[in-house]
Amino acid sequence: QVQLVESGGGVVQPGRSLRLSCVASGFTFRNYGMHWVRQAPGKGLEWVAVISGDESKKYYVDSVKGRFTISRDNSKNTLYLQMNSLRAEDTAVYHCATPPEQPQAACWGQGTLVTVSS
Amino acid sequence: DIQMTQSPSTLSASVGDRVTITCRASQSINSWLAWYQQKPGKAPKLLIYKASSLQSGVPSRFSGSGSGTEFTLTISSLQPDDFATYYCQQYNTYPYTFGQGTKLEIK
Repeated sequence: QVQLVESGGGVVQPGRSLRLSCVASGFTFRNYGMHWVRQAPGKGLEWVAVISGDESKKYYVDSVKGRFTISRDNSKNTLYLQMNSLRAEDTAVYHCATPPEQPQAACWGQGTLVTVSS
Repeated sequence: DIQMTQSPSTLSASVGDRVTITCRASQSINSWLAWYQQKPGKAPKLLIYKASSLQSGVPSRFSGSGSGTEFTLTISSLQPDDFATYYCQQYNTYPYTFGQGTKLEIK
């Protein structure tokens, strides 16, 4: 079955970096755009970034532009989010997800918690 | 960016009730709207895509309607498992934005 498993979260000081990973299984990964969505503690969902299946297109929410980079390795069925210059307001559970426009493989990972604190 | 506004923010209802949640977009998104259900500590689950298409495996008591800027999610007869938080998301234009959520509580 379709499955997404995130890893790489943790506690990090402001200004430092972290890289999240998301391993996909159960579908043809290279055929799907992939998203990162985050949820701050007790708050709603915030879309963060997307990458096309062939990595040619990437889009970001304004608040992370220039600090976060989305990438993927289709040979490893893995999605990444490189997060630099982290801020307290980046504290959240980060989910990877398949896109709503491709519901045949609808799936969200359980998420990985990133805590930015000194 | 397209702003998505859900109402109400909280809804109290009983098992068996029919409930409706509304989502409004700040500009037309055609029918590019999804609805998700999220339970505490869990990942969101896709219920409805393209405004009115029921995701595979989702009970038929869930339905979606609307186009342009106004959309609704209806649960025809609430079941105990339906008490959760619901989010709409537009996927017409990046950034894909979510509504603030509607928490459905037991009355």
